[in-house]
Amino acid sequence: SQTIHQWPATLVQPVGSPLSLECTVEGTSNPNLYWYRQAAGRGLQLLFYSVGIGQISSEVPQNLSASRPQDRQFILSSKKLLLSDSGFYLCAWSERGASYNSPLHFGNGTRLTVT
Amino acid sequence: GENVEQHPSTLSVQEGDSAVIKCTYSDSASNYFPWYKQELGKRPQLIIDIRSNVGEKKDQRIAVTLNKTAKHFSLHITETQPEDSAVYFCAAMGRGSTLGRLYFGRGTQLTVWP
Repeated sequence: SQTIHQWPATLVQPVGSPLSLECTVEGTSNPNLYWYRQAAGRGLQLLFYSVGIGQISSEVPQNLSASRPQDRQFILSSKKLLLSDSGFYLCAWSERGASYNSPLHFGNGTRLTVT
Repeated sequence: GENVEQHPSTLSVQEGDSAVIKCTYSDSASNYFPWYKQELGKRPQLIIDIRSNVGEKKDQRIAVTLNKTAKHFSLHITETQPEDSAVYFCAAMGRGSTLGRLYFGRGTQLTVWP
């Protein structure tokens, strides 16, 4: 069966420090991969979407970036964190299919607090 | 990208009553609409989904209806129980230039009182 791992679970970082969050998927090949952010009491905002190695689409302009160095690995990064980057970061995957109507499966999330 | 509107933002019901959450979407080409349940501090979990070739889908106490003409879909929970209390999100899958991207509504906080 497929599993998704996301770490760390919680992170407290000072303003201006770098960020690296990692996500890996097991049990499937060529998944679509996603990064979402959820601010406190808010909805899920799509940050990045990837259909393959090195293929990243950015949904909104921000000081975050994403990379996909391997088929089942997705990394969210920042060179300098802002206070507004605080939130609950969720990685997700879905099956690659021609019809693009498969559900997303989420990791357990990383709660990031920028101080 | 796709614009998904969700109402209400909060909903309180008595145990045993029904709850209805409504969503609209902007891209008429969207063809996949999942619903997620998120308990406090946890990840969103899929509870039901519907594809555009059907108008209604039911799974025990949960049902979803889709009106493609009106670009509207709804979640119905019958015989609510306290454990149904959570935040519920609707979503719509993008098409065209946003193909494969899933866009979410802002969520509905459902509280079921015993």
